[in-house]
Amino acid sequence: LAKTTQPISMDSYEGQEVNITCSHNNIATNDYITWYQQFPSQGPRFIIQGYKTKVTNEVASLFIPADRKSSTLSLPRVSLSDTAVYYCLVARENQGGKLIFGQGTELSVKP
Amino acid sequence: DADVTQTPRNRITKTGKRIMLECSQTKGHDRMYWYRQDPGLGLRLIYYSFDVKDINKGEISDGYSVSRQAQAKFSLSLESAIPNQTALYFCATQTARDSTDTQYFGPGTRLTVL
Repeated sequence: LAKTTQPISMDSYEGQEVNITCSHNNIATNDYITWYQQFPSQGPRFIIQGYKTKVTNEVASLFIPADRKSSTLSLPRVSLSDTAVYYCLVARENQGGKLIFGQGTELSVKP
Repeated sequence: DADVTQTPRNRITKTGKRIMLECSQTKGHDRMYWYRQDPGLGLRLIYYSFDVKDINKGEISDGYSVSRQAQAKFSLSLESAIPNQTALYFCATQTARDSTDTQYFGPGTRLTVL
């Protein structure tokens, strides 16, 4: 599975838009880009998944350029409760569902 | 009630003891996973199961064993616990529909081996 690289940490303030970029240079054609969120002492929670272009749901947007070698998770107008670790992963079709978690990006939202 | 539950939530044990962590789910999913998380790191896969009696090793299976006797239950055992197995352990479930489907995680078990 493709290795992902993302910033270790980011700081933001309430009400701002936060963009977290992930690099996945070796992504394969049957790989999907997936983001999970983890609060302290809780299990990760699925946020969003996409293959190409843009995906939006009630929580976030995911932007994927045409070459798919990177992706950007966008959190609109963050609040203190968005403080968490965000993991970018690559999930491959028909490969057993194994997920490879990196270190993630620790987002700290300040008042 | 939570869809994925883990027991115990916290456990302190001594080196050499046998420990079993339990995971139960009411989501009706076929696939179940065990991960461990060390401080400041992401999750690493220990074992996974696609169906009852199906067992597969993950990236760090040494020192662990699992049992899947029923669709809803997946147990992780440490036959002889050692201090470097101190970690946060998560169970997760997934439908069998596609490997890109969402994984649903339990609340975790914090294990300390003295």
